[in-house]
Amino acid sequence: DADVTQTPRNRITKTGKRIMLECSQTKGHDRMYWYRQDPGLGLRLIYYSFDVKDINKGEISDGYSVSRQAQAKFSLSLESAIPNQTALYFCATSKRPSNEQFFGPGTRLTVL
Amino acid sequence: GQSLEQPSEVTAVEGAIVQINCTYQTSGFYGLSWYQQHDGGAPTFLSYNALDGLEETGRFSSFLSRSDSYGYLLLQELQMKDSASYFCAVREEAGTALIFGKGTTLSVSS
Repeated sequence: DADVTQTPRNRITKTGKRIMLECSQTKGHDRMYWYRQDPGLGLRLIYYSFDVKDINKGEISDGYSVSRQAQAKFSLSLESAIPNQTALYFCATSKRPSNEQFFGPGTRLTVL
Repeated sequence: GQSLEQPSEVTAVEGAIVQINCTYQTSGFYGLSWYQQHDGGAPTFLSYNALDGLEETGRFSSFLSRSDSYGYLLLQELQMKDSASYFCAVREEAGTALIFGKGTTLSVSS
């Protein structure tokens, strides 16, 4: 099955460490997204990319950076992790012109 | 600024009908979507409304009134497996990403 995968699924790290979360998809979709989910706050958009040369900031991009290495890969980096970046992170994909987004299983990140 | 308002919690019993409302204030509007998420799992797409009116998909229906900046998700014949969080989401323009509400937790009891 065409799928969206995220690695790692769980990660515990310390304040100040650099962390990379990876997302890969076999759906052939051109659009990819990174969201963060905190209890009671819903899904908040960090960055999105509509093709390999297109990167856009979302509502909460501070403290994060991304790289779209290929159409199928979109990575999220925390250059210097801090405890309030502890959250569940989701990658999602979609294909123009569809409005449906397909989400990966999520990465649970804990920053101590 | 942009905002999407939906109730934080809704409870119902099996077999009942429940409506989850969503009101939005955004700079533009290109459509309202609904997603379901079970207990920390991946959100999954339920429905999309771009035009006013009701869209029906099995036990679930979604409604949109653009003039009122309002929509709702209607779940009929509730089952225990419908216990989940439900998110409304708006796309402000054709070339932008979805903005999600904070979600409504639905608890279905027997």
